[in-house]
Amino acid sequence: GAVVSQHPSRVICKSGTSVKIECRSLDFQATTMFWYRQFPKQSLMLMATSNEGSKATYEQGVEKDKFLINHASLTLSTLTVTSAHPEDSSFYICSASSGQDFLAKNIQYFGAGTRLSVL
Amino acid sequence: AQKITQTQPGMFVQEKEAVTLDCTYDTSDQSYGLFWYKQPSSGEMIFLIYQGSYDEQNATEGRYSLNFQKARKSANLVISASQLGDSAMYFCAMRALGGSNYKLTFGKGTLLTVNP
Repeated sequence: GAVVSQHPSRVICKSGTSVKIECRSLDFQATTMFWYRQFPKQSLMLMATSNEGSKATYEQGVEKDKFLINHASLTLSTLTVTSAHPEDSSFYICSASSGQDFLAKNIQYFGAGTRLSVL
Repeated sequence: AQKITQTQPGMFVQEKEAVTLDCTYDTSDQSYGLFWYKQPSSGEMIFLIYQGSYDEQNATEGRYSLNFQKARKSANLVISASQLGDSAMYFCAMRALGGSNYKLTFGKGTLLTVNP
């Protein structure tokens, strides 16, 4: 399957600082990327959908000023957690879809996730 | 709106045995896709298998097969000859096909433990 790289895998930061997470599709062009948040022993919660070259679409209840998403190219999307606080500590995972599957599967391939700990 | 229900929070299976993980869904879409993902303790989500609502045959991928019963709105994952490395969280998901909305709806997951 397609490969999605997510970096960093783990980050610890002080309260009030900003953290940037990168998501790259390595062997395909991702017209659409997704950012999820996952709490321990829970399912994935979609935060936002980003399409290359346009503004991200955020899910209800997700603060767009808090979670800045940029999808500047067909292979890279970034999530910046601004002024992070302990309640932002979580597992963040991205996925990418080429949107060009003629069978319309448009499978989402996931990165390995980023575990954020805010002290 | 779409909804995925996974009623088994946890399942246990002996190594080399087969196991079925349940998934039922609800949707008003005529055309949709069903997906299964595996999430080991390390966290990455691994795509396992896909079934389209109009596919006449059940999907198979190696040791994974999908028991798709459209009338019952179920899409159970069958893992044959379980291995210790199959121990993980398994998520069923779905999305509408067509259009440009690729959002997935996930179930709550089933934690599979394979015993030696």
